[in-house]
Amino acid sequence: DVKVTQSSRYLVKRTGEKVFLECVQDMDHENMFWYRQDPGLGLRLIYFSYDVKMKEKGDIPEGYSVSREKKERFSLILESASTNQTSMYLCASSQDKVTNEQFFGPGTRLTVL
Amino acid sequence: GENVEQHPSTLSVQEGDSAVIKCTYSDSASNYFPWYKQELGKGPQLIIDIRSNVGEKKDQRIAVTLNKTAKHFSLHITETQPEDSAVYFCAASQLNFGNEKLTFGTGTRLTIIP
Repeated sequence: DVKVTQSSRYLVKRTGEKVFLECVQDMDHENMFWYRQDPGLGLRLIYFSYDVKMKEKGDIPEGYSVSREKKERFSLILESASTNQTSMYLCASSQDKVTNEQFFGPGTRLTVL
Repeated sequence: GENVEQHPSTLSVQEGDSAVIKCTYSDSASNYFPWYKQELGKGPQLIIDIRSNVGEKKDQRIAVTLNKTAKHFSLHITETQPEDSAVYFCAASQLNFGNEKLTFGTGTRLTIIP
């Protein structure tokens, strides 16, 4: 089974802090994604990567950056956390070139105070 | 870019009845339409998908239909059971190389009433 793990289930940070959200997948997938999930807004893509050291902006990249130094790990970075970044963050990976089925982690609920 | 609208946002159905969730998309170049199910405390999981060269696809109690002309697609769940209670997301993509991004709808919270 594909397993996507995220470093924390719950995280509380202060405004202005630098926040790192880590995601690791164990199936040697090429593609990795970061989404945020908000009520009434669904899943919105922040950044994605289809190779080590490569990254592409999604639909809402402002205020975020990413790092992919190893194939299995994709990190989301909030350089200076703000209250409007309070959200559920979901990481996903995919490999199948026929379906691009994305396998999601359980999510990190981030609260910025 | 692609825009996907999903309705309804919430849906309550008596156990054993059918449930239908509808989505519309804006980009006529989209050719792949998956549905994901998110159970409480978990990430979404793919349950069924359809490509633009197919009008309907079934997998046991779930089916998806696609109308390319109208740019809408629907998820149908028959003989609903309590374990069908979850949030369902539709999505659309231009699938050519297998690494294209998905654009998700806003989600439907389905509640099955015992």
